[in-house]
Amino acid sequence: NAGVTQTPKFQVLKTGQSMTLQCAQDMNHEYMSWYRQDPGMGLRLIHYSVGAGITDQGEVPNGYNVSRSTTEDFPLRLLSAAPSQTSVYFCASSRFPSTDTQYFGPGTRLTVL
Amino acid sequence: AQSVTQLGSHVSVSEGALVLLRCNYSSSVPPYLFWYVQYPNQGLQLLLKYTTGATLVKGINGFEAEFKKSETSFHLTKPSAHMSDAAEYFCAVLKRGSGGSNYKLTFGKGTLLTVNP
Repeated sequence: NAGVTQTPKFQVLKTGQSMTLQCAQDMNHEYMSWYRQDPGMGLRLIHYSVGAGITDQGEVPNGYNVSRSTTEDFPLRLLSAAPSQTSVYFCASSRFPSTDTQYFGPGTRLTVL
Repeated sequence: AQSVTQLGSHVSVSEGALVLLRCNYSSSVPPYLFWYVQYPNQGLQLLLKYTTGATLVKGINGFEAEFKKSETSFHLTKPSAHMSDAAEYFCAVLKRGSGGSNYKLTFGKGTLLTVNP
């Protein structure tokens, strides 16, 4: 199993550009989530999904969209990038309910100029 | 509301010394508690978790944590630090989301552990 994979590993955007961060898992996990990690802030939940077709907002959803058309994939879209979205983004998955271990991807480091 | 406080953003110990990383939580219901570790330039890995049952939880790499309800704490310890333990450690509490069936992990801000030779 590859586990949780994320692409790209690094990305530089200009303010106003849009892009999609990809996340895929091959463990047949129902629960998937996106976090952003900023220095001194820990990890903050952006969006999560409890299964295909079902998503919900986390702590910091503004400026991000998600959809879940398959169990395997959970892309994160930045509609109009802003410098405040410069961060490291992690995708995670687990069996549902999520008292189970969450498995994290390696992260995407995003810089918005 | 549930939240997590990690005391000390940076802890430094000597190799072979005791490691103690502190975590306090606030929760209106019995919590599920987790410790994750992040090595440089990597994602997070689960060290250990408390859901129900025995309050002393053993994890990987010789770490353990004790759930103390009276102190609302879940401190992480290891008797003897190794150089390879240098990493950032995150405490997390499981939070029930809207609708009653969704769960979200709320993370503390992290504690960076350095181990000196």
